[in-house]
Amino acid sequence: AQSVAQPEDQVNVAEGNPLTVKCTYSVSGNPYLFWYVQYPNRGLQFLLKYITGDNLVKGSYGFEAEFNKSQTSFHLKKPSALVSDSALYFCAVRALNNAGNMLTFGGGTRLMVKP
Amino acid sequence: SAVISQKPSRDICQRGTSLTIQCQVDSQVTMMFWYRQQPGQSLTLIATANQGSEATYESGFVIDKFPISRPNLTFSTLTVSNMSPEDSSIYLCSVSRDRETQYFGPGTRLLVL
Repeated sequence: AQSVAQPEDQVNVAEGNPLTVKCTYSVSGNPYLFWYVQYPNRGLQFLLKYITGDNLVKGSYGFEAEFNKSQTSFHLKKPSALVSDSALYFCAVRALNNAGNMLTFGGGTRLMVKP
Repeated sequence: SAVISQKPSRDICQRGTSLTIQCQVDSQVTMMFWYRQQPGQSLTLIATANQGSEATYESGFVIDKFPISRPNLTFSTLTVSNMSPEDSSIYLCSVSRDRETQYFGPGTRLLVL
């Protein structure tokens, strides 16, 4: 079975401070990992992905994520948070199903950035 | 990426009725998927929409309840049949060209009374 866990329902951070949104995964074989963001009343927007290569992946809006195989983690980070980063963040792992590449999502973490 | 539109963006429906949601992509894509996001929940895959053949449904979802069409490489529909209040959710389509990254539409917000 493939699964993703986001241990924090909500993360609060002050504007300008660094932020981390945690994600751990369980998968057989090589993990393909993704981060998406959902703003209020919007669909999901792709932020970044890890397929292979460098463990530090850079994505949209200044976000980055660090793949750690030994800890089975893929935490999302940003050096300096903005109020506009406040949104719901989802980590996802790629699994295989009969028809192709199913994504399994974590439960989501709400990021609140306060001025 | 891809430009994805969904219609309707939201709807309020009476129980027992059916609603068909459309997903249109600006260019051909390899794969199309339909997800459900129940209130306050994460996303759950309903099915993979296969072009020219029957959709592949995930456990807990059946064709009679969620019939899906994909007549070509840029368009798909999901019907929510015989609706009940438990079907109130956001329904999202996603697409993939490279069999790796999925891009999502804006979603259809459904409220069943």
